[in-house]
Amino acid sequence: AQTVTQSQPEMSVQEAETVTLSCTYDTSESNYYLFWYKQPPSRQMILVIRQEAYKQQNATENRFSVNFQKAAKSFSLKISDSQLGDTAMYFCAFMKQAGTALIFGKGTTLSVSS
Amino acid sequence: DAGVTQSPTHLIKTRGQQVTLRCSPKSGHDTVSWYQQALGQGPQFIFQYYEEEERQRGNFPDRFSGHQFPNYSSELNVNALLLGDSALYLCASSSGLADEETQYFGPGTRLTVL
Repeated sequence: AQTVTQSQPEMSVQEAETVTLSCTYDTSESNYYLFWYKQPPSRQMILVIRQEAYKQQNATENRFSVNFQKAAKSFSLKISDSQLGDTAMYFCAFMKQAGTALIFGKGTTLSVSS
Repeated sequence: DAGVTQSPTHLIKTRGQQVTLRCSPKSGHDTVSWYQQALGQGPQFIFQYYEEEERQRGNFPDRFSGHQFPNYSSELNVNALLLGDSALYLCASSSGLADEETQYFGPGTRLTVL
């Protein structure tokens, strides 16, 4: 069975700084999808970024980028120029194939302060 | 374009009772997945509905059941409620089209079992 591990329960960063959230996963699949979701205190889960395993290029969405290391089964999220609105719980998630269930990690609580 | 909606926002029940939660998918989506999120944890997959059939199921007992209607909206039913069923219940919608893997989440229903 696939598993997702987020080893950092909590992280803190100052505004404008860069922070990296870690995620590792375990799978025997060769093609799959990886996601980072953000859940602010208001609790709406929002997609931050996604990566298809067959693509070698790391995904980027504005200030958010990933470092996808397929051989190491690592999928870290880098947030540049952190903003107060980035304060949230961040979940790494794995999907074996399109249209199937998401498997989530336990999350990392990120606090951005001024 | 309306996103995923869920009702009610909050619900309080007592042990042994039954509850029904509702979800309307994002416009254009035909697949609905349900997740249970305990406090401070990542969401756990309950089941997924597509074309009014349960297509995939997670490791949840038969007390958890669901339904999908012709307009793609969905219900989650939980019978014989236990204290441990207290959680945030999230609905996510997606398109059944090939390569459409991203799931979009609703705001959730907070269920408290006393």
